[in-house]
Amino acid sequence: DTEVTQTPKHLVMGMTNKKSLKCEQHMGHRAMYWYKQKAKKPPELMFVYSYEKLSINESVPSRFSPECPNSSLLNLHLHALQPEDSALYLCASTRGTGTTTEAFFGQGTRLTVV
Amino acid sequence: AQSVTQLDSHVSVSEGTPVLLRCNYSSSYSPSLFWYVQHPNKGLQLLLKYTSAATLVKGINGFEAEFKKSETSFHLTKPSAHMSDAAEYFCVVSEGGNNRLAFGKGNQVVVIP
Repeated sequence: DTEVTQTPKHLVMGMTNKKSLKCEQHMGHRAMYWYKQKAKKPPELMFVYSYEKLSINESVPSRFSPECPNSSLLNLHLHALQPEDSALYLCASTRGTGTTTEAFFGQGTRLTVV
Repeated sequence: AQSVTQLDSHVSVSEGTPVLLRCNYSSSYSPSLFWYVQHPNKGLQLLLKYTSAATLVKGINGFEAEFKKSETSFHLTKPSAHMSDAAEYFCVVSEGGNNRLAFGKGNQVVVIP
């Protein structure tokens, strides 16, 4: 199994809603990532978990809250988002803490904030 | 810190003709280099990677790339474009150990029938 699975594929939420994005991998990878991608742009790193601990937070607003319940799962909790947060949210994983091996990406969650 | 330059944000090729996407990088260390493809509203799929082994790297779907240290380049080529190659292509560099990937701005490839 070389897949990273993200749910849901599409999400529409109001600015007062609370929702969560989920990501799962069963490759035994020990680093997991959240990226945000706007249209026609490359992905931007948001968070990195390494061995289930948050190792990088790229100064992301607190309305985004990551969680890594175990080595296979990664969540992104969303609360009080703004319309400019609408984007494709990608989850990725790598075998270890370095990135000399390739990152495996999920299909993404298309988030629309209304 | 590493960085990646991809010129020609939009590339149009005729079906059956060669594809060339240029990538230049800067890195303080010996980098790992990757090319990813992204179809509309999809995730990124790895095409090929260079991680200090052979400098000519073959990937999926007939793509290949050559690592040239002296030119700090990692250009992507395919001899004959197919309609299914229409997508966004990202060149990515990693120095390893810091969990950060540097993405180029991407090439939007259009294949003309």
